[in-house]
Amino acid sequence: AQSVTQLGSHVSVSEGALVLLRCNYSSSVPPYLFWYVQYPNQGLQLLLKYTSAATLVKGINGFEAEFKKSETSFHLTKPSAHMSDAAEYFCAVSDLTSGSRLTFGEGTQLTVNP
Amino acid sequence: EPEVTQTPSHQVTQMGQEVILRCVPISNHLYFYWYRQILGQKVEFLVSFYNNEISEKSEIFDDQFSVERPDGSNFTLKIRSTKLEDSAMYFCASRQGRSSGYTFGSGTRLTVV
Repeated sequence: AQSVTQLGSHVSVSEGALVLLRCNYSSSVPPYLFWYVQYPNQGLQLLLKYTSAATLVKGINGFEAEFKKSETSFHLTKPSAHMSDAAEYFCAVSDLTSGSRLTFGEGTQLTVNP
Repeated sequence: EPEVTQTPSHQVTQMGQEVILRCVPISNHLYFYWYRQILGQKVEFLVSFYNNEISEKSEIFDDQFSVERPDGSNFTLKIRSTKLEDSAMYFCASRQGRSSGYTFGSGTRLTVV
């Protein structure tokens, strides 16, 4: 079974500050990991994915995440927050078996203060 | 950029009625999914579909739910007799292959009254 834990349901940063959203996973097989962003009343947009290639993954909008197997983590970072980054962020894991499901974390609501 | 298209964007139905939620996945994608998100909660897996059959379903996906790919382009989720607790945002997703990302549609907000 696989699971995802996102530490902090709400994170608040100042504009220009570092964004760090935490994600830890549990998987019995090598995982594929994803970060999605959801803006109010919209769908889920893929930010980035880890699929067993480079451990540091760069995504859209200046976000990146690093896969750390020893820590079972896949934290999302952005060096400098922008007001437009305010949204809900979901970490998700899949083990990529043939019909595999994405298992989502609870989500982290990011607020960016001016 | 190819998109997953879902219709309608919002549907209101009376308890006990049947609803069909429609999705058009990306044309060269092979794997199809339905997820739901109850207001304020996390996104939950319902069902995955590959090679014209269900490949996995969650405990949520009971006998009142069914999926179909009737014509090679549409992918539908039917709820036979809706309950108040079925009110949620329903997302369709598709992916091309096993190492591909999942592309989600914008969702259908289902309100059962």
